[in-house]
Amino acid sequence: AQKITQTQPGMFVQEKEAVTLDCTYDTSDPSYGLFWYKQPSSGEMIFLIYQGSYDQQNATEGRYSLNFQKARKSANLVISASQLGDSAMYFCAMREAWMDSSYKLIFGSGTRLLVRP
Amino acid sequence: DTGVSQNPRHKITKRGQNVTFRCDPISEHNRLYWYRQTLGQGPEFLTYFQNEAQLEKSRLLSDRFSAERPKGSFSTLEIQRTEQGDSAMYLCASSLGAESSTDTQYFGPGTRLTVL
Repeated sequence: AQKITQTQPGMFVQEKEAVTLDCTYDTSDPSYGLFWYKQPSSGEMIFLIYQGSYDQQNATEGRYSLNFQKARKSANLVISASQLGDSAMYFCAMREAWMDSSYKLIFGSGTRLLVRP
Repeated sequence: DTGVSQNPRHKITKRGQNVTFRCDPISEHNRLYWYRQTLGQGPEFLTYFQNEAQLEKSRLLSDRFSAERPKGSFSTLEIQRTEQGDSAMYLCASSLGAESSTDTQYFGPGTRLTVL
């Protein structure tokens, strides 16, 4: 079974509007971390935001916020006031079982976001 | 620039040749990771090091692949007898190595391998 599911292969958003990128995950581990990365066409993965499974509040980093719904196992990324430079691939990732010293990230297949002027 | 660096950025090789990639992590980062990303997919974990010790290897890492981090600083990933299926972006990441859940991995620009 897929651990991380991103159901939107591509999304369009108008400049200055907000957009939500979906991510659902599957784990039986009570302790896990969820990450979002941005990958521009240059290829580098840029860390955006992190949410821990025990965090009580939704994470926020500037224009990025994470809508974390633990019971639904979803961790959607919200980008407010979209800019042209936000056009990129966005990946949701999970790390589980770090207590067992497994630190690998499991990635979804990504969502390509295109910001229209 | 104190980010993760990778060399070369691009590599074109013929099937059957050996290739080696290098990754220099962020200084003071104890953990170093290798991932492979094929077109249209998310990165897939290959292996990771805690200092110089290789602690986990994916089953994706066949016998033709070997990774080292001899002094706990830079790392190399070698692919022997390359196959066309090895064509991919090879990403390196590093993290501080903290035991907390917020041990964020920071990625380099990747090495794009094309096997002809």
